[in-house]
Amino acid sequence: GAVVSQHPSRVICKSGTSVKIECRSLDFQATTMFWYRQFPKQSLMLMATSNEGSKATYEQGVEKDKFLINHASLTLSTLTVTSAHPEDSSFYICSARDRVGGPYGYTFGSGTRLTVV
Amino acid sequence: AQRVTQPEKLLSVFKGAPVELKCNYSYSGSPELFWYVQYSRQRLQLLLRHISRESIKGFTADLNKGETSFHLKKPFAQEEDSAMYYCALSGGGGSQGNLIFGKGTKLSVKP
Repeated sequence: GAVVSQHPSRVICKSGTSVKIECRSLDFQATTMFWYRQFPKQSLMLMATSNEGSKATYEQGVEKDKFLINHASLTLSTLTVTSAHPEDSSFYICSARDRVGGPYGYTFGSGTRLTVV
Repeated sequence: AQRVTQPEKLLSVFKGAPVELKCNYSYSGSPELFWYVQYSRQRLQLLLRHISRESIKGFTADLNKGETSFHLKKPFAQEEDSAMYYCALSGGGGSQGNLIFGKGTKLSVKP
C-alpha cells in the first residue's frame, strides 16, 4: 500500500526560529499534497494544498509568509514554519493523493508535534 | 457549501453491540466519501471509501444520496474498534481537491 513518511515526528523550538517539516510519498508519485493542522481533540483543518512545480494554494486565514510550502518533486513537499511563536504549537499532518481514481486515495503522514517555547 | 457533519462527539457501546456512526454531508456535485480511523497515537488510516464498496474490519458504509448520508456500521463492536472516526468528503469527477473532514466521533467499546 501507499506510505507517506513525515519527519520529524516531534520538534521543540525556540520562539522566533524556523522549523521545516518534510513529507515524502515513498512508493507512489503525488502531484498534490495537503497540509493540515490539528488542535487537541479537534478535527483536521486544511492549511494549504501543495502542487508539484507550482505555488501552494492556502486556505483563508492561513498566512502564506509564515507557513512556507515547497513541493519541489513528485515525492516531496515541505512545510516551513517561519519565526515560530507559541501559538503555532500544534500537530501538523501532511497527506498525499495518488492519481484520481487510483487505489490509494489519500494517505496520511504520522504527523509532527511542534512545540514552540 | 461543502460540509461534513458528524453529530456525535462520543459514542459508547458494549462489546458485541451494533454500532452506527453517523455522517451527513453537503455537496453540490458528486462527492467521493471516505471514513478514516485514528487509533490512539497512530496516524489516520483509510477505513472505507464509498466507490470501492468494501467491508473492512466488519465495517460497512452505504452512500445514500437522497439523505446525503454515509453512516458507518458494524453489527458487533469489538474493543479494538475503540478509536476516533472521521468522515470525509472529496469533490469527485476528476477533482484533485482536498478532503473535507467532519469533527470526528470517538468510539468507545466497553468490555
